[in-house]
Amino acid sequence: DVKVTQSSRYLVKRTGEKVFLECVQDMDHENMFWYRQDPGLGLRLIYFSYDVKMKEKGDIPEGYSVSREKKERFSLILESASTNQTSMYLCASSSGTGGSTDTQYFGPGTRLTVL
Amino acid sequence: AQRVTQPEKLLSVFKGAPVELKCNYSYSGSPELFWYVQYSRQRLQLLLRHISRESIKGFTADLNKGETSFHLKKPFAQEEDSAMYYCANQGGKLIFGQGTELSVKP
Repeated sequence: DVKVTQSSRYLVKRTGEKVFLECVQDMDHENMFWYRQDPGLGLRLIYFSYDVKMKEKGDIPEGYSVSREKKERFSLILESASTNQTSMYLCASSSGTGGSTDTQYFGPGTRLTVL
Repeated sequence: AQRVTQPEKLLSVFKGAPVELKCNYSYSGSPELFWYVQYSRQRLQLLLRHISRESIKGFTADLNKGETSFHLKKPFAQEEDSAMYYCANQGGKLIFGQGTELSVKP
């Protein structure tokens, strides 16, 4: 069974703080993704990675950065948190060379509140 | 521009009634369409994908390229089908729809 874990279920931070969201998968998947989930907006892709040390911007990368130093770990970084980054953040992974066409396996999500 | 549209934010039906969750896409290439589901307090998970042409939990979805649609259907809804459903096109860019909340009442 694929397991995707995220470091925190709930997180409360203050405006201007640097925030790290961690995601780990245990199935040796090449591809990893970060989304934010907002009511009425669905899932929006922030960043994704097809390989270690490789990253690609998604639809809403502004205000975020990512790091993938090891295959199993993909970190999302909010350099200076703002209130409009209050959201549910979902990490996902998928296998194979098909990239976006493979089934994605999601983590439980991190609900981030920025005060 | 590539897009996935789910026109209904909320769909409410009674148990035993047929249900159809609508999904339309715009994409010039070959779409790779998926339905994902999120039950209450559970993680988002795959329900079905169009290339598999399978029925999962009684749900089916047929790709209609002429109408650029991939509607999700079930002939007899059950209370346990209540969840948030997302349609996604994973051909080219990864695009998810806005989601439809399905509520099945007893």
